[in-house]
Amino acid sequence: GIQVEQSPPDLILQEGANSTLRCNFSDSVNNLQWFHQNPWGQLINLFYIPSGTKQNGRLSATTVATERYSLLYISSSQTTDSGVYFCAVVVVNTNKFYFGSGTKLNVKP
Amino acid sequence: DAGVTQSPTHLIKTRGQHVTLRCSPISGHKSVSWYQQVLGQGPQFIFQYYEKEERGRGNFPDRFSARQFPNYSSELNVNALLLGDSALYLCASSLGFKVEAFFGQGTRLTVV
Repeated sequence: GIQVEQSPPDLILQEGANSTLRCNFSDSVNNLQWFHQNPWGQLINLFYIPSGTKQNGRLSATTVATERYSLLYISSSQTTDSGVYFCAVVVVNTNKFYFGSGTKLNVKP
Repeated sequence: DAGVTQSPTHLIKTRGQHVTLRCSPISGHKSVSWYQQVLGQGPQFIFQYYEKEERGRGNFPDRFSARQFPNYSSELNVNALLLGDSALYLCASSLGFKVEAFFGQGTRLTVV
């Protein structure tokens, strides 16, 4: 099956720092989403980005589908950015999400 | 508009018991999917339903079953609970395929 690899697995930042999270996937995809999982477990939608670049405030994302990777950029990080970030993809001709193992981000004041 | 709602939020069951988890999708969404997330891992796909028909099944035993109702809400049933079934169960809804999906807050199941 498809492999979805996220890096780094853990990241510690000082408040105000920038970071880049990476998601590599091993097959062609129809859908790619980035989520932030809050401490209570809910997956919060950050980006729906099967290809191209999007920005939302301090966050932006880029997916290069032909090279099978996506990047999530967090600028001027805040303590509220802490949590686990997941990349999830839907492979062509399937209807299910495959999730990576996540990047656990800890932003310190 | 209400998002995806799941009930109950927390549940404690004993080994061997049966459990039913419920999910109400976003209004207008016809696709519902279920995922299991054990501690420290990403969610794993269990089922997808679209227009009340099963459209996908993950690698889970037959103890797991689901259905979708005419109003597009869904139930996930797990029989003969095992300790290993303890997890966060997440429901996702979407308009259809190849579109953005939205997740509920999850049901945290503990089997003792």
